[in-house]
Amino acid sequence: NAGVTQTPKFRILKIGQSMTLQCAQDMNHNYMYWYRQDPGMGLKLIYYSVGAGITDKGEVPNGYNVSRSTTEDFPLRLELAAPSQTSVYFCATSQRTSGYTDTQYFGPGTRLTVL
Amino acid sequence: AQSVSQHNHHVILSEAASLELGCNYSYGGTVNLFWYVQYPGQHLQLLLKYFSGDPLVKGIKGFEAEFIKSKFSFNLRKPSVQWSDTAEYFCAVTPYAGNMLTFGGGTRLMVKP
Repeated sequence: NAGVTQTPKFRILKIGQSMTLQCAQDMNHNYMYWYRQDPGMGLKLIYYSVGAGITDKGEVPNGYNVSRSTTEDFPLRLELAAPSQTSVYFCATSQRTSGYTDTQYFGPGTRLTVL
Repeated sequence: AQSVSQHNHHVILSEAASLELGCNYSYGGTVNLFWYVQYPGQHLQLLLKYFSGDPLVKGIKGFEAEFIKSKFSFNLRKPSVQWSDTAEYFCAVTPYAGNMLTFGGGTRLMVKP
């Protein structure tokens, strides 16, 4: 099993460009998450999804969009890239049942630089 | 909203030294607590977690953490570190049965051989 995969590993964007960060999982988990990691700041939740067709905002959603058409995939879209979006982006998954928190499993990350 | 503080941003130790990394959280209710580790060039991996029961939890690679509810703390310990423990360590918290993790800022540990 590949677990959680993310593409690309690295990307440099110009201000105003758009791109989609891909995240795929083969663990059949219902929950998926997008985080960004800034130096010294830990990880902050951007968006999350509780299942196909259902998404919700996290702590820092501005400038991003998501969709979840299948259980396996959870792409993150940047429409107008800004230097403030320079960060490392992590996708994560968990299998969550009602009333119970479970471990989140992380992908390898995408390092994005906006110049 | 909950928050997590990791007071040590950088720690340098020699091999065989003992390790304790601090983690304090702010939240008034019952919580679930996690420690994740990120080795150089790798993704985050779970070290250990506390959901309920014995407040002293043991994780992988000889790590353990103690949940002290009265102090809102979940410090990570290892009696004897190895060079391979060089990594960044993150504490995280979620309200009991919650799904949104709040992470601390991380502690970079360097172990000198």
